Amino acid sequence: DAGITQSPRHKVTETGTPVTLRCHQTENHRYMYWYRQDPGHGLRLIHYSYGVKDTDKGEVSDGYSVSRSKTEDFLLTLESATSSQTSVYFCAISDDSLGPGYTFGSGTRLTVV
Amino acid sequence: GQQLNQSPQSMFIQEGEDVSMNCTSSSIFNTWLWYKQDPGEGPVLLIALYKAGELTSNGRLTAQFGITRKDSFLNISASIPSDVGIYFCSARYGGSQGNLIFGKGTKLSVKP
Repeated sequence: DAGITQSPRHKVTETGTPVTLRCHQTENHRYMYWYRQDPGHGLRLIHYSYGVKDTDKGEVSDGYSVSRSKTEDFLLTLESATSSQTSVYFCAISDDSLGPGYTFGSGTRLTVV
Repeated sequence: GQQLNQSPQSMFIQEGEDVSMNCTSSSIFNTWLWYKQDPGEGPVLLIALYKAGELTSNGRLTAQFGITRKDSFLNISASIPSDVGIYFCSARYGGSQGNLIFGKGTKLSVKP
């Protein structure tokens, strides 16, 4: 078990409010990722991290920021939530010890009203 | 940018039927992976492929890494109700820890 936890699992927020989603892992794996999943679009990479304070943008990074001040936590922040950011957000981790793919969390369903 | 074209988008299965889906791209990849997502959960890795022409099985699932390195195929034999879900193809670009891109998924449902 790779020990990856996302919180909260569900959230409803109002347009214009800031929102932070948390991804926590228990085994100090190096690489962490945030994806969003939308019908008709599959999984799209928002941001990723190669280590503490080492992050980079993915395909759909506009409107999102991330921080990784500790190996175990990767935070995704929507500075001012919009309805287009209503989605299911998945965190994933990878490392040579985990094999070839990513291990995903169970997701956070975010609704912006 | 790089893109994976996965088809079909959705399909209905009847228990016992074989199922096929595929993923194509205009780009060459060194690793192809197939994931399955159950409702309310994150995707879970089913099969990983590393070499052109490679054929790999995991129980009733068989996947192939296309000869051109631009495509991959997944077959499910003798489907059962628990096969329903969304299947994603994925490919890695860059080195051994390069990022993954994903197809849009194939949703398997049971025939009414």
